[in-house]
Amino acid sequence: KNQVEQSPQSLIILEGKNCTLQCNYTVSPFSNLRWYKQDTGRGPVSLTIMTFSENTKSNGRYTATLDADTKQSSLHITASQLSDSASYICVVSDRGSTLGRLYFGRGTQLTVWP
Amino acid sequence: EADIYQTPRYLVIGTGKKITLECSQTMGHDKMYWYQQDPGMELHLIHYSYGVNSTEKGDLSSESTVSRIRTEHFPLTLESARPSHTSQYLCASSESGDDIQYFGAGTRLSVL
Repeated sequence: KNQVEQSPQSLIILEGKNCTLQCNYTVSPFSNLRWYKQDTGRGPVSLTIMTFSENTKSNGRYTATLDADTKQSSLHITASQLSDSASYICVVSDRGSTLGRLYFGRGTQLTVWP
Repeated sequence: EADIYQTPRYLVIGTGKKITLECSQTMGHDKMYWYQQDPGMELHLIHYSYGVNSTEKGDLSSESTVSRIRTEHFPLTLESARPSHTSQYLCASSESGDDIQYFGAGTRLSVL
């Protein structure tokens, strides 16, 4: 069964600190992996998208890594800000259908305290 | 900033009412999607469309229906709302099936 598991479920950090969110998946065949940020009451916004051949990709203070062999990804947030408080969702796309089906994790709820 | 809009943002209605959730995008994307998301849970695909006059059911069974008469417009309709339909509904669009999906802000529906 294709699945996407994220950890931790929730995380609280102080402003200015770094943190790393984890994503493990069993989706096959693999096409790409995306990280989305979802603010409370809003729709998800794409942060990064990585294909099989990409090990790391950055978007400002966000750096995503991908190990396609172990089927693991991480999202590292540097120098956290209050505005980073949100749910971070890992999404994996397969090539099993013409749609490019997406498998969503449940997200990690990050809270940044001043 | 993605150009995809959903209305209404919030809706509280009584059981048995017919409702339509609106979704419009100005990016010219062929692919559009409807997702259902409960608090703390993953998004579930309920409908998608490859283009005008093309609609398909997603992974999660839903009593809702959709239509795609125009590229930019992908409304979702519930003929008779029930409390079990209470959820957040997110609309998205993408240029291709394997591309980044851009999401609207969502409609939070409460059926009493």
